Order: sequence, then structure tokens, then C-alpha cells
Amino acid sequence: KAGVTQTPRYLIKTRGQQVTLSCSPISGHRSVSWYQQTPGQGLQFLFEYFSETQRNKGNFPGRFSGRQFSNSRSEMNVSTLELGDSALYLCASSRDLGTAYNEQFFGPGTRLTVL
Amino acid sequence: DQQVKQNSPSLSVQEGRISILNCDYTNSMFDYFLWYKKYPAEGPTFLISISSIKDKNEDGRFTVFLNKSAKHLSLHIVPSQPGDSAVYFCAASAYYSGGGADGLTFGKGTHLIIQP
Repeated sequence: KAGVTQTPRYLIKTRGQQVTLSCSPISGHRSVSWYQQTPGQGLQFLFEYFSETQRNKGNFPGRFSGRQFSNSRSEMNVSTLELGDSALYLCASSRDLGTAYNEQFFGPGTRLTVL
Repeated sequence: DQQVKQNSPSLSVQEGRISILNCDYTNSMFDYFLWYKKYPAEGPTFLISISSIKDKNEDGRFTVFLNKSAKHLSLHIVPSQPGDSAVYFCAASAYYSGGGADGLTFGKGTHLIIQP
């Protein structure tokens, strides 16, 4: 069974631009969560999508948004990029809603660098 | 304020010995705890979990212990092997009675190095 895939793997953008990251979950998984990993803050939860609806949201500004399609694939968008948005963005999929009692499988991440 | 803390950024253990990784949490609503392992250039991989109704869970060489009164959990790896060298993240989640849960809250990780 194919794992979680994320594209692109690496991305370089400049301040003020916007970016879209893509995540394809494991076949049969209906939940997709996004996390940001930085050296200072560690891994932080961004949001979770299930059945094309955002179900949970972390403490991030509105510049961070996402969506989920009917095939469970998800995209994450960051608008008006800031230097502090440079991070590894990880996507995780699970069979059902919620991170408790549902094993989450992580993709390899997209490394975003903002110049 | 960090709700999940891993106070040791790194830990070095000899091959064959026991590795003990520690994690503390402050949010009493957390009721599900997990350990993830991460190699460079890969996403975290689920290792083992424990529900708050238990105090111990074993899976092969890996055992997680939960002390709810102390808000502390630990991961024991016995015996430690070279392939265990990685960054280990402790994570916690709060389960809603109506279904679903918050996203995982992670500690900052402990880099475990197994010395031959």
C-alpha cells in the first residue's frame, strides 16, 4: 500500500508570495492533518480535514488555510508569506476523524524556505 | 506555554543497554499519548501509544509507562539497537466525548544515539 505523498518536496519562495502544498493520503484514509515543524517551536498542529470539512484548527493566523477534495486529497495554502513561515510542513492521514485512537501516518514533508 | 515537554534534547546509550526517554505534560485533559520516531528527511513514524486508562503498554522491545498523577510518561527500549538512533517525539491528544479530538500536541523531541 502506498504511503502518504506530499508535493513538492522542496520549495523556495519570497516574502509576500503565496504557496500551495499538496498531500495525497493513504488509500482509504479519510482524515488529513497538517503540521508545521520549525527548530524553535517543534511540531505544531495546523488543522485537520475530514469529509471535505475542516474539523479542528490549531493556533495559526488566517493566512494558513486548507481544503480537502472528495478523493480525500488535501491542499494547504499560505498567503502573504513571512520569513517565519520557513519550515517543514508535514501531512498526516488516518482512517477516521481525530488524532486520538487513530494512528496517523505521516508523509515526508515539504520543506518551504521563504527568502 | 509548552504543554508537552521533552527535557533531554539528546541521549546517548550503548548498544544492548536500555534507553529511557522521558516526557512531561501539563494539560490534564490529555488522555491519549503516543511516541513517534523520526529519521532525517522522513516524516515521523508511529511507534507505540497508551490510553490514560492504562499505565503500561508493551510492543516488542518498546514499552511505554504512564504516570498520570505525575503527568509523566516514558518510553523504554530494551535492548537498544543501532537502528534505534533517531529523534523520538512524545505526543498527546485530548478526546472529545462527542467524537474527534484535538490535533496532536508534540514535544520538541529527543535525539537518541546508540553507540556501538
